[in-house]
Amino acid sequence: GAVVSQHPSRVICKSGTSVKIECRSLDFQATTMFWYRQFPKQSLMLMATSNEGSKATYEQGVEKDKFLINHASLTLSTLTVTSAHPEDSSFYICSAPPGGGTSYNEQFFGPGTRLTVL
Amino acid sequence: QKEVEQNSGPLSVPEGAIASLNCTYSDRGSQSFFWYRQYSGKSPELIMSIYSNGDKEDGRFTAQLNKASQYVSLLIRDSQPSDSATYLCAVNIPGGFKTIFGAGTRLFVKA
Repeated sequence: GAVVSQHPSRVICKSGTSVKIECRSLDFQATTMFWYRQFPKQSLMLMATSNEGSKATYEQGVEKDKFLINHASLTLSTLTVTSAHPEDSSFYICSAPPGGGTSYNEQFFGPGTRLTVL
Repeated sequence: QKEVEQNSGPLSVPEGAIASLNCTYSDRGSQSFFWYRQYSGKSPELIMSIYSNGDKEDGRFTAQLNKASQYVSLLIRDSQPSDSATYLCAVNIPGGFKTIFGAGTRLFVKA
């Protein structure tokens, strides 16, 4: 299957700092990537759709100014959590559909980034 | 509100038994359906995709789709303790790339 990487895998930061998470498609080009957040024992919640060369599309209730997304190339999307607070502590996971352009979109997930804000 | 519903479980089965996981979805226009496995602390891993009514088999896994009933299921034959995980049902939203995930069913396979 297609490979998606994420970096860092784990980050601990102080409240008020910003954290950048990178998501890379290693063996395919991804014009679209997705960012999810998962709290303990809860399901994946889609935060936003990252579009190469254009603005991200955010889901209802997700603050676009707090969660900055940049899809600078066909293999890289970044999520920056600005002025992080303890309630932002979560497991952040990106995914990408290698199929691109069709509705038969199997999602391949990165390994996730566990963010802890002290 | 587009929804994907799963029984949260936990579903407990003995080793060697068949585990049956079920999912219903609300959008009749959905065309693509997926099952993911997620181990604790890890990201989801794609197990099966199914697009047509009927059964699709891959090793010990069989996905079943009934679009008329808006129902998707996953059967795991000869369940192993290593199958213990949360299984996420996912449905593609028509007209785009977005996928909606169910809350997942926790499966425990007892040795």
